[in-house]
Amino acid sequence: SQQGEEDPQALSIQEGENATMNCSYKTSINNLQWYRQNSGRGLVHLILIRSNEREKHSGRLRVTLDTSKKSSSLLITASRAADTASYFCATELGGTSYGKLTFGQGTILTVHP
Amino acid sequence: EADIYQTPRYLVIGTGKKITLECSQTMGHDKMYWYQQDPGMELHLIHYSYGVNSTEKGDLSSESTVSRIRTEHFPLTLESARPSHTSQYLCASSKQGAVTQYFGPGTRLLVL
Repeated sequence: SQQGEEDPQALSIQEGENATMNCSYKTSINNLQWYRQNSGRGLVHLILIRSNEREKHSGRLRVTLDTSKKSSSLLITASRAADTASYFCATELGGTSYGKLTFGQGTILTVHP
Repeated sequence: EADIYQTPRYLVIGTGKKITLECSQTMGHDKMYWYQQDPGMELHLIHYSYGVNSTEKGDLSSESTVSRIRTEHFPLTLESARPSHTSQYLCASSKQGAVTQYFGPGTRLLVL
């Protein structure tokens, strides 16, 4: 079974609206990251939140982490057409998995101008 | 923009051919990774390396092999390509002590 699962699988919004994506995981983690992938390209790191943090901000991005529910959310405020991409959460597991990431299925975000 | 490069970007090849996908980074990162990603799906780790002469298999079983003779170079080889190998292959690297990974643009492989 997958470590990270994301919902929704796809999200379609208008420019200026907020977009929220959720990620759930199964085992304890050291940290959780969010990455963005434009169509057919490599991934770009957006933000990292450690297991002892609850919320983090970076520009228009806000990430929350609830370790009791094993879930995280990524909020993009005032979305733009250029935010259209796939968004993946990635977890670094606790224990001996140092440096190895497990990725979720991703959320495809489409922002209409 | 990350300084990590992959060649070729696209490759169409016949069954049975030997192929090598190249990955190079100029950031001096010790850790490097290969992922396989089918369209619209999650990434699966197939190989990783924590430094020169260190290679490990990832979570997804793969018929490919890797080598790490130089810090900056982490090529992936398929001895005999099959249609089931058709996928996108992404290379990534990270610094020692860090968990953020920097990705290359990927190689799209189509095996006929």
